[in-house]
Parts: sequence; C-alpha cells; structure tokens
Amino acid sequence: AQTVTQSQPEMSVQEAETVTLSCTYDTSESDYYLFWYKQPPSRQMILVIRQEAYKQQNATENRFSVNFQKAAKSFSLKISDSQLGDAAMYFCAYRRANSGYALNFGKGTSLLVTP
Amino acid sequence: NAGVMQNPRHLVRRRGQEARLRCSPMKGHSHVYWYRQLPEEGLKFMVYLQKENIIDESGMPKERFSAEFPKEGPSILRIQQVVRGDSAAYFCASSPGGDEKLFFGSGTQLSVL
Repeated sequence: AQTVTQSQPEMSVQEAETVTLSCTYDTSESDYYLFWYKQPPSRQMILVIRQEAYKQQNATENRFSVNFQKAAKSFSLKISDSQLGDAAMYFCAYRRANSGYALNFGKGTSLLVTP
Repeated sequence: NAGVMQNPRHLVRRRGQEARLRCSPMKGHSHVYWYRQLPEEGLKFMVYLQKENIIDESGMPKERFSAEFPKEGPSILRIQQVVRGDSAAYFCASSPGGDEKLFFGSGTQLSVL
C-alpha cells in the first residue's frame, strides 16, 4: 500500500516570504503522480500543482513550485511571495498511474500567513 | 461548465436514520470517487465508480455503506443506520477517466446527533 507522510502539522510564514512544505511517500511503483491540494476554510479542495513521476523537471505554477526527489521519495512544495490568501490546509497526495486509481492523501499541513 | 455539485452541503441526522449524499459530476465526466474526511485528517478514499459499475470499493466500510452511479442522475452515497462515528465531511470527485486530474466538489458535512 502507498502511504503519504506530511511531518509538519503546522507552518507559519510572513507575507511576501517563502515557505516550504514537506511530503514523503512510500511506493513500489515506478509510474505515478503526485499532487498538492489546498483546502481553505470553505472546504473546497483546490489542485495547486501536479507532478508526473516520469518527468525529471520539477513542476511550477506561478508562485508554487515543487522539489521532486524520486530516489528519496520526497515531494516538497515551495510557495514564494506568500499572500494572505495562501492560508489554508495543504495536502500532499499520491496516485498510481494507468487509469482511474484513487488518491492517497497525507494528513495535511496547516499554513498560517501573517501580515 | 459547472463544477462537481454536491448536495446537501450540510446534513444532520439522528442515530439510526439514513443519510443520502448526492454528487453530480462535471459534464462529460464518467468517473466518480467518494472520499471521507474526519476532523484533523486527510481525505480517505471510499469508493470509485463508473456509470452503473463499482470499480473499487476497497475503502468502504463493509456494513451500512453503499454507493451507486446510475446511468441517469447523480451518484449517491448511502449510509444506513448512522452512528456518531459517521460524522465527517464527505467529498465527491470526478474525472473524464484515464490519468486525467480529479475535480472535487465542496463536500457534504454530515453531523450525527
């Protein structure tokens, strides 16, 4: 079974600064996807970024980027120029490739952004 | 294109009653997933359905829980004889299939009194 571990229950960052959220996972698969989801107080799950395991290049979406270390099974999220609207729960998730498999989520990291 | 629609947003039931949670996937999506989120926890997979078929129900409790995704209409997650431990947020996600990304609804918060 695949497991996803987020070792930081809470993180805090000042507005305009950079923060990195950690995620490690365990799998015996070679082909899979990794995700970061944001869950604000509205409860809506919002996809932040997605990484295909076969791609060596780290995914980037505007202020959000990942550091994907396949050998180490590590997938951290970096948020640059943090904004107040970034405050939310962040969940790391894993999904096997090849059609239709469910997501496995970590327990989440609560991000607080201070002015 | 409307997103994934879940209703109701909040549902209150007394112990022993039945809860029915509805999910309308995005237009063109034929794959539906149900997840449960307990307080202070991540989402846990429950069941994966395609139209009229249950593909993977490995995350579903063996008793009292069932799910369907009929040819017409929304997907339904049904919980019979609810207990307090069923109190959670239940999320539905849909995708067009393959390795396409999942889109989530806003969830139904079930409270069992």
